[in-house]
Amino acid sequence: SVLTQPPSVSGAPGQRVTISCTGSNSNIGAGYDVHWYQQLPGKAPKLLIYVNTNRPSGVPDRFSGSKSGTSASLAITGLQVEDEADYYCQSYDYTLSGSVFGGGTKLTVL
Amino acid sequence: QVQLQESGPGLVKPSQTLSLTCIVSGGSISSGGYYWSWIRQPAGKGLEWIGRMYITGSTNYNPSLNSRVTISLDTSKNQFSLKLTSVTAADTAVYYCARGVYCSGTSCYTPNWFDPWGQGALVTVSS
Repeated sequence: SVLTQPPSVSGAPGQRVTISCTGSNSNIGAGYDVHWYQQLPGKAPKLLIYVNTNRPSGVPDRFSGSKSGTSASLAITGLQVEDEADYYCQSYDYTLSGSVFGGGTKLTVL
Repeated sequence: QVQLQESGPGLVKPSQTLSLTCIVSGGSISSGGYYWSWIRQPAGKGLEWIGRMYITGSTNYNPSLNSRVTISLDTSKNQFSLKLTSVTAADTAVYYCARGVYCSGTSCYTPNWFDPWGQGALVTVSS
């Protein structure tokens, strides 16, 4: 994938985890925004964070996003069992002239 | 609240054309301000953006699929469609339609984000 995410992360209930999304100067580093999605098992992806740091209505403030340089991060605090899901970042790459996704990160809540 | 629902054949033969429709309810695709988009996900793999269309007729496609993809809008039925020609087993995936949003308040952004998504339609390419 054009955007690189760790394949998996894990944490205990109540803990904090972060998921990185590393790009390059043709995408995140070029100033394009980053969005994040949560995909629960067997379900369609759901928008979690848009334009780097914004939460849609209904998304708990335990989820937060940040962006710096050629990377972005999703942080989840106060982990809950229901947070177990795959998480994807999305941005734009000008060499490809379209949206690109990270490979996805599987979050396991131990 | 806008909802999207994919429909179409679940099985397509190799070399044939995959055709899916996304029915939009709770909002009009003619109203503008959104990109009507398709994304796919092979089993156990990540998401791949296929392409998008704006109400003006403007389209953008993933370069890796560009020569085989067509997205169209049918405003009379409030739906949009995907056609993918010359399919192979590599095109087997869950196909999602989604609304691409690129403005919030008075500011607009690149790229658009996808919200909401349809539930997804599994398409298997096999003889």
